[in-house]
Amino acid sequence: EAQVTQNPRYLITVTGKKLTVTCSQNMNHEYMSWYRQDPGLGLRQIYYSMNVEVTDKGDVPEGYKVSRKEKRNFPLILESPSPNQTSLYFCASSLGRGDEQYFGPGTRLTVT
Amino acid sequence: EDQVTQSPEALRLQEGESSSLNCSYTVSGLRGLFWYRQDPGKGPEFLFTLYSAGEEKEKERLKATLTKKESFLHITAPKPEDSATYLCAVRGSQGNLIFGKGTKLSVKP
Repeated sequence: EAQVTQNPRYLITVTGKKLTVTCSQNMNHEYMSWYRQDPGLGLRQIYYSMNVEVTDKGDVPEGYKVSRKEKRNFPLILESPSPNQTSLYFCASSLGRGDEQYFGPGTRLTVT
Repeated sequence: EDQVTQSPEALRLQEGESSSLNCSYTVSGLRGLFWYRQDPGKGPEFLFTLYSAGEEKEKERLKATLTKKESFLHITAPKPEDSATYLCAVRGSQGNLIFGKGTKLSVKP
């Protein structure tokens, strides 16, 4: 089954404790992206990757890092989480940057 | 500046009461408009892509149409299971997808 998977699905952590949210896709897509979704603000892009070892900032990259060492994986790293990073996070993938994107199930992060 | 605006923010319908959701956009040279459905706490699910004015696509009770300035998602005889938030996105001038804030649809039996 073609899918995007994310782990963990739920995470509660404390300010400053580094965390990683994993994302994997099995569709051989070149483009992958991370979004956060907040009430009243909609989906906002954090980082994206056009291919292995090629990443770039989206609209709200501050406080986040990413890496793309393999085509199928695109982890999101929060090195020092803060409460304003409490949000619902989605990973997505597509054939190309402007093509329809397929989303993972989401990771609900709470930073206290 | 590329922009996507969806209206209304929320829509409540009775089962069987047809209606339309609107997505207006501002982008230089449209290269794709996308509709997604999102259930609470889940990832958006892709529905349609439209590329040129006059294009229409259908899936069950949903039909998406496109003009040069806006797109409509028509819902015919909706059922309670159609309740969800519907998101519209366009391919922006920089190549990325720009999402609207969505229309939350509730269909009461």
